[in-house]
Amino acid sequence: QVQLKESGPGLVQPSETLSLTCTVSGFSLTSYSVSWVRQPSGKGPEWMGRMWYDGDTAYNSALKSRLSISRDTSKNQVFLKMNSLQTDDTGTYYCTRGDYGSRFAYWGQGTLVTVSS
Amino acid sequence: DVVMTQTPVSLSVSLGGQVSISCRSSQSLVHNNGNTYLSWYLQKPGQSPQLLIYKVSNRFSGISDRFSGSGSGTDFTLKISRVEPDDLGVYYCGQGTQYPDTFGAGTKLELK
Repeated sequence: QVQLKESGPGLVQPSETLSLTCTVSGFSLTSYSVSWVRQPSGKGPEWMGRMWYDGDTAYNSALKSRLSISRDTSKNQVFLKMNSLQTDDTGTYYCTRGDYGSRFAYWGQGTLVTVSS
Repeated sequence: DVVMTQTPVSLSVSLGGQVSISCRSSQSLVHNNGNTYLSWYLQKPGQSPQLLIYKVSNRFSGISDRFSGSGSGTDFTLKISRVEPDDLGVYYCGQGTQYPDTFGAGTKLELK
């Protein structure tokens, strides 16, 4: 059974760095890509970046200067780090796995991140 | 970036009825490999989005045949027949043909 679960701090101070972990089960990170997607309250999702199965990464150019995605295959975890957070970075952050013709076939439960002092 | 425009923003339906949601992209979604990476998602209240349809018209595993997708190029439609209470929520279209992947702003399906 494919499962993804996000974890991390719910509250981040402005200008600080966000660190999130996606722990997966039911599949191997060396066989499937994992993406990070965020969603401000009441708005559509925004793709942030991707860890490919071969270890390569891809980033949304809008976030590329602030974003880093890495992984630990031995722990079945994918990591997101984003610096210089501002209030408009507030939202729910999801990790997702691709399959078939969609890169977002399976979604984690999401983790709410609030940027506030 | 490819802009995905969904209409209407909201939709009211009676149980058992049928609805259509439109999604238009600012560029053709036909990939160089011939595939069209247009997907539909449903986000029920308080839940994560879930994949319904991929590559325009293919239902994801476990998705009812009451959901059907169609379209080509830049114009796409999701149809829901015999609407049930569990179908209510926000529907999003999304494209994966061009980088970056982008999503529409959503169509909220409510009960009349």
